[in-house]
Amino acid sequence: AQTVTQSQPEMSVQEAETVTLSCTYDTSENNYYLFWYKQPPSRQMILVIRQEAYKQQNATENRFSVNFQKAAKSFSLKISDSQLGDTAMYFCAFMTTSNTGKLIFGQGTTLQVKP
Amino acid sequence: EPEVTQTPSHQVTQMGQEVILRCVPISNHLYFYWYRQILGQKVEFLVSFYNNEISEKSEIFDDQFSVERPDGSNFTLKIRSTKLEDSAMYFCASTLTLGFSGELFFGEGSRLTVL
Repeated sequence: AQTVTQSQPEMSVQEAETVTLSCTYDTSENNYYLFWYKQPPSRQMILVIRQEAYKQQNATENRFSVNFQKAAKSFSLKISDSQLGDTAMYFCAFMTTSNTGKLIFGQGTTLQVKP
Repeated sequence: EPEVTQTPSHQVTQMGQEVILRCVPISNHLYFYWYRQILGQKVEFLVSFYNNEISEKSEIFDDQFSVERPDGSNFTLKIRSTKLEDSAMYFCASTLTLGFSGELFFGEGSRLTVL
């Protein structure tokens, strides 16, 4: 069975600085998908960034980038130039390629961006 | 921008009562999901639904749970006889396609409190 672990329950960062959120996962599959979702206070979870396991190049979306280390089963999220609107709960999630759309989530990391 | 909407936002019920949580997925989406998050725990997959039938369900989704899409727009989760341990935030999600490009869109959640 697949598992996802986020070992940082809470983090904080000063506005305009860079922060990295950690995620590790466990799977015996060779290809799969990884995601970071963001849930602002009292709002929906929204997709931040995604990565296919067979692609070695790290995904980037504007200020958000990932460090995908397949051998180490690590998938960290880097947020550059942090903004107050980045304050949210961040969830790392895993999906198999079996095409069911089922996500397996980590525990979440609460990120506070301070002015 | 289209959104997944959920009602009620918060429901308090007595143990043993039936509860129906409602979701309106994005109109052209084809795949529908319920997830739940017990306070302090991970977001867990409950069930996926496609073409008017359950495509996958977790061990949590026992005979007390049911889902239906009664009118082509609403997607409901029914808990027949609620237990204290059903207290959680329930999230509905939908997507147009599966796989890597199939982004799940989540609702804001319905908080269920069972007394």
